Amino acid sequence: EVQLVESGGGLVQPGGSLRLSCVVSGFTFSDHYMDWVRQAPGKGLEWVGRTRNKENSYTTEYAASVEGRFTISRDDSKNSLFLQMNSLKTEDTAVYFCARVDSNSPAGDYWGQGTLVTVSS
Amino acid sequence: DIQLTQSPSFLSASVGDRVTITCRASQGINNYLAWYQQKPGKAPKLLIYAASTLQSGVPSRFSGSGSGTEFTLTISSLQPEDFATYFCQQLNSYPLTFGGGTKVEIK
Repeated sequence: EVQLVESGGGLVQPGGSLRLSCVVSGFTFSDHYMDWVRQAPGKGLEWVGRTRNKENSYTTEYAASVEGRFTISRDDSKNSLFLQMNSLKTEDTAVYFCARVDSNSPAGDYWGQGTLVTVSS
Repeated sequence: DIQLTQSPSFLSASVGDRVTITCRASQGINNYLAWYQQKPGKAPKLLIYAASTLQSGVPSRFSGSGSGTEFTLTISSLQPEDFATYFCQQLNSYPLTFGGGTKVEIK
């Protein structure tokens, strides 16, 4: 069974940092691209960024709203995906989801349950 | 960036109704479009990718069509479990973007 479990969310002050983790099981993590997607309270979905797999040199893509502040990384040996968030702003408050990118299409076919990040003083 | 405009943003329908949701892209995205369903407090669920390919396990009452800039998601006969919010996502170019969502509620 494919599972993705996010952790690391919480309350942080503006300007602070937080590191989210996503531990996966049930599939060969190293084969897949992975996404982070967020959803502000009561709002729609916003794509945050993507990491490619080893075959594609672990390169990354980001939304303009987080470029330069957020960094996506992964540890294939630990089946883990990370999102390092620096210089946090109140508008970064959201539930953050990790998603596996389907090998047959670039869509997210399996998602975690999400972890809530609240940026507030 | 490619903007996706979903319409309507809200619709009220009855069980058994045929429902169509539209997603328009600000520029051509070939068929690189996915549709997701999301229920309150839950993660999105992939329904359709490549504009018209049904994800494994998704009921056949869901279908997708379109290419270029205009796409539709159709539910042929709405079931009680289909009341949810639906999002489109373009996968043609970075940054990837989502539509604003369509909330389907019970009439």
